[in-house]
Formats: sequence, structure tokens, C-alpha cells
Amino acid sequence: DAGVIQSPRHEVTEMGQEVTLRCKPISGHNSLFWYRQTMMRGLELLIYFNNNVPIDDSGMPEDRFSAKMPNASFSTLKIQPSEPRDSAVYFCASSESDTQYFGPGTRLTVL
Amino acid sequence: GQQLNQSPQSMFIQEGEDVSMNCTSSSIFNTWLWYKQDPGEGPVLLIALYKAGELTSNGRLTAQFGITRKDSFLNISASIPSDVGIYFCAGLDNTNAGKSTFGDGTTLTVKP
Repeated sequence: DAGVIQSPRHEVTEMGQEVTLRCKPISGHNSLFWYRQTMMRGLELLIYFNNNVPIDDSGMPEDRFSAKMPNASFSTLKIQPSEPRDSAVYFCASSESDTQYFGPGTRLTVL
Repeated sequence: GQQLNQSPQSMFIQEGEDVSMNCTSSSIFNTWLWYKQDPGEGPVLLIALYKAGELTSNGRLTAQFGITRKDSFLNISASIPSDVGIYFCAGLDNTNAGKSTFGDGTTLTVKP
């Protein structure tokens, strides 16, 4: 199994640009989670889906952030417009029960 | 919402020493999980605990699920340089589609 796949691994963009992060969960997993990790705030849950339906998006910081899961094998996290304070590592994780399997993360730098 | 208090925040130890870290919560959890994050990677599950009082080992790692179901600890014996990383506890109450509440992590540094 390839595990959770995230792309891109690194993204450098300028303030105001749109950023789209992508995630392919492990096949058969029915829950998908998006996290943001920074030194200051640690690991924060942004949103999670169950059976492709968003269950809790209370962690999404602002309306600039949106996430979709059009099918069981793909999810996106979009930031529009991006700001320097959005710089962080964004992780996607999937699960079928209690254990979450994390992807390698996308390191986002907004200049 | 639910919160986990994980301590210590960081540890600097000598190779060969034992390590102990813990998590406490004001809420009851039905499952406790311990993850390790290597530098530049995502967290990976180390140990899962499913019953109050359960003590589980995985090599040099030992974890326990507290009797009150509000706490858990992780011990690492005879630390080695590759134990470096961030250790996260996570609690699951089985009511939120697999959502775990994560602690803030313990950053471990092992000096050779």
C-alpha cells in the first residue's frame, strides 16, 4: 500500500495567490482529516470528513480556507487568498477505525 | 471542547537513559493512542490502548491506559539517538467518526 499521498510536498507562493493542496487517502479508509502544524500552535485539526461528507470544520481558521472531498479517493484543501501567516506544514490523514495514517505533509511558504 | 495536557513539552536526555511522558484530560476517552513524528515526516502510530488499566509494550516502549480513563503515559527505556522526534498522545471517544484529540506533543532530544 502506498500510504496517504499528498502533493505537492513543498509549495512556495506569494501573498494573495491561491494555493491548492491535494490528498489521496488509503484505499478503503472512510475518514479523512486535514491538519496544520506550526511551531507556535502545534498540530491543529482543520476539518475532517466521514464517507466524503464534512463532519466538523470548526478548525478551519477563516473563510479563506475551504476543503472538498468529491470522492473517496481524493480531497483538496484550498487557501484563497493566501497570507504569510498561513505558512505551515499541512498534513492529510485517513483512517478506517481509531488509527490515523498521516501523509508526508505539504510544507507551504507564503512570502 | 476536549483538551489533552501533555507533559513535558520537551526533554533533553543522554543516550541510554529512560524517558517518561504523560497525558491528562478532563474528559474520558475510550481509546488512547501514542504517535511519533520523525523530523520531516507525518506522525506514525506507536501504541494503541483500548482498556482502562491496560499496559502495552512495543519493544523498548511501554504505555498505560489510566484507570480513570483520563490519562495515559508512555515510557521509553534505554533511549537511542533514533528516538529523537515529537511524541503525541491522542484520545478517542468513539463518538466522532474516528476523530482523535491530540496533545501538544513532547519533543525528545537524545544526546549521544
